[in-house]
Parts: sequence; C-alpha cells; structure tokens
Amino acid sequence: NAGVTQTPKFQVLKTGQSMTLQCAQDMNHNSMYWYRQDPGMGLRLIYYSASEGTTDKGEVPNGYNVSRLNKREFSLRLESAAPSQTSVYFCASSEFGQLILYEQYFGPGTRLTVT
Amino acid sequence: AQKVTQAQTEISVVEKEDVTLDCVYETRDTTYYLFWYKQPPSGELVFLIRRNSFDEQNEISGRYSWNFQKSTSSFNFTITASQVVDSAVYFCALHSGAGSYQLTFGKGTKLSVIP
Repeated sequence: NAGVTQTPKFQVLKTGQSMTLQCAQDMNHNSMYWYRQDPGMGLRLIYYSASEGTTDKGEVPNGYNVSRLNKREFSLRLESAAPSQTSVYFCASSEFGQLILYEQYFGPGTRLTVT
Repeated sequence: AQKVTQAQTEISVVEKEDVTLDCVYETRDTTYYLFWYKQPPSGELVFLIRRNSFDEQNEISGRYSWNFQKSTSSFNFTITASQVVDSAVYFCALHSGAGSYQLTFGKGTKLSVIP
C-alpha cells in the first residue's frame, strides 16, 4: 500500500497563476483533508471531505477550492496564487466516525512557492 | 474554542538523555481525543498515539511514554534514552466536538538530539 500520495512534490508559481494539487489514498478511508503548514504555525486545516460527495471549509479556506473526485482522490485548487499561499501543503485521510476522530495519515507534502 | 499549547519551541538534549515534551490543551467538551505526531527532517508526519478523554492510563511504547492528566489538561510525551533518530518536530493535536472533523494542532516542538 502506498498510503497517501501527493503530486507534485515541489512547485513554483508566479502570482496570479493557478494550479491543482492532487491527492490520492489507497486505504479505503472515507474522510480526507487538506492542511497547510507554515513556519511556527503548526498545521491548519484548509478544507476537508467527511465522505465522498461532501466538502467543508476548515480554518483557512480563503483562496482555495477543493474537489472530492471519488473516494480515493481529493484535489486542492489555487485559482489565483498569491505570495501568502507559499507554504507546505499536506493531504491526509482517516476512517470515518461521527463521535470518534480516528488518526489521520498524511501524505509527503507539496512545497509550494509563489513569487 | 479549542486550543493546544506546546510551550517548548525547541529542545536540545544529548543522546541517551530522557526528554519530556509538554502539551496543554483547552476544550469545553467532555469527550475529546488527543494525538501526537512526529515530523522528521524528511517532512512527512507520522502518527504516534491517540488517546480519548475517558482513558487516563499512561501508555508506554518502547522508549516512548505518554502521561495524560485531565486535572491539568496536559498530555505530555517522554522519550527515554533519546537517540539521534528522535530528532524531529513533534506535534500535539486535539479533536473535540461530536460531528467535528477538525483537528487542532499545536505549533510543535523541535527536538534535537546531539550525539
């Protein structure tokens, strides 16, 4: 099992450009998440998908959109990149539970720089 | 509101020393889950432990141990006989609120183990 995979691993964008970060998991998890990690800030949730067909905003959703393509795949799109979106982006997945948040398994991350 | 505080930003120890990483959390919910993750220099996040609010028993896994104290809202992590491979950033995280999928991370503690 590959676990959670992300593409690309590195990306440099110019301000105003758009791109999509791809994420896939092979653990048959229902829930998937996108986080950003900035120095000294820990991880902050951008969007999540509790189950296939649903998506919801997290703590810092502005400037991003997501698509839950199917149970395995969850993409994050930056429509018009800004320097403030320079960060490391992590995708994660977990089992589904209404009263229990199971541990999340993370992908290797995408390091994005916006100039 | 949920909050996780990891007051120690950076810690350096000499190999074979014991080290404790502090985590203090805030939540109004009676049911919640606490997590520890490790982020080695390679960048991926590795799940270490999940503990629910009803289980205050300490847990030991090899050289790792966790002390959960509801009275002080703390979930501290101790590494015994530290090794260079323990060098990483360690994150404490909190989930609370039935139906919520949000995981609140602390800002992390960077541990450096010096040979």
